[in-house]
Amino acid sequence: EAGVAQSPRYKIIEKRQSVAFWCNPISGHATLYWYQQILGQGPKLLIQFQNNGVVDDSQLPKDRFSAERLKGVDSTLKIQPAKLEDSAVYLCASSLDVATSGSISDTQYFGPGTRLTVL
Amino acid sequence: QQPVQSPQAVILREGEDAVINCSSSKALYSVHWYRQKHGEAPVFLMILLKGGEQKGHDKISASFNEKKQQSSLYLTASQLSYSGTYFCGTERDCGGSQGNLIFGKGTKLSVKP
Repeated sequence: EAGVAQSPRYKIIEKRQSVAFWCNPISGHATLYWYQQILGQGPKLLIQFQNNGVVDDSQLPKDRFSAERLKGVDSTLKIQPAKLEDSAVYLCASSLDVATSGSISDTQYFGPGTRLTVL
Repeated sequence: QQPVQSPQAVILREGEDAVINCSSSKALYSVHWYRQKHGEAPVFLMILLKGGEQKGHDKISASFNEKKQQSSLYLTASQLSYSGTYFCGTERDCGGSQGNLIFGKGTKLSVKP
């Protein structure tokens, strides 16, 4: 079974530029998450999708970050304009939704991440 | 709201045991444990649910004290491959699974030969 795919793996940009990250979840996984992981810290949830609907985006800085999952499969996260403090690894994760799996809480499977450096 | 992990770091010799703790000030629905090696994605280890259900790695054990909102991960007879940073992710009890996890700052484990 193929895992969560992300691209690019690395990106270096100047502050005030824009950048986009792409994620393709595990086939059949209805729930998709974007996390930001700053060096030395745990992942911080930015946004959670259930199919193509947003479940939680309470920690997404909406003045500069946006995300979409138009067809309920792959997703794009955009930052515009980038700031120095956005330097981090952006992780995408996916899981089966509880109703599908029959479980009462689901394992999240993470992709390899995109390491963003803002200069 | 972020769970507190302890210790922050631990160094072991191969074959030694370790316990990593995770505590929350909020009522929890589940606790998820992950291991992350440098430059790699977090890898799932265990889920512990209120009510006692568990799912995960057959060589790693963990506990979840619902009254204290604490979880512990037990690593026995450690191997070099156990090295990495361990994160707990907590899911608040909102009457069911919502899926969104809050992760602790991690515990860095180093296993030496």
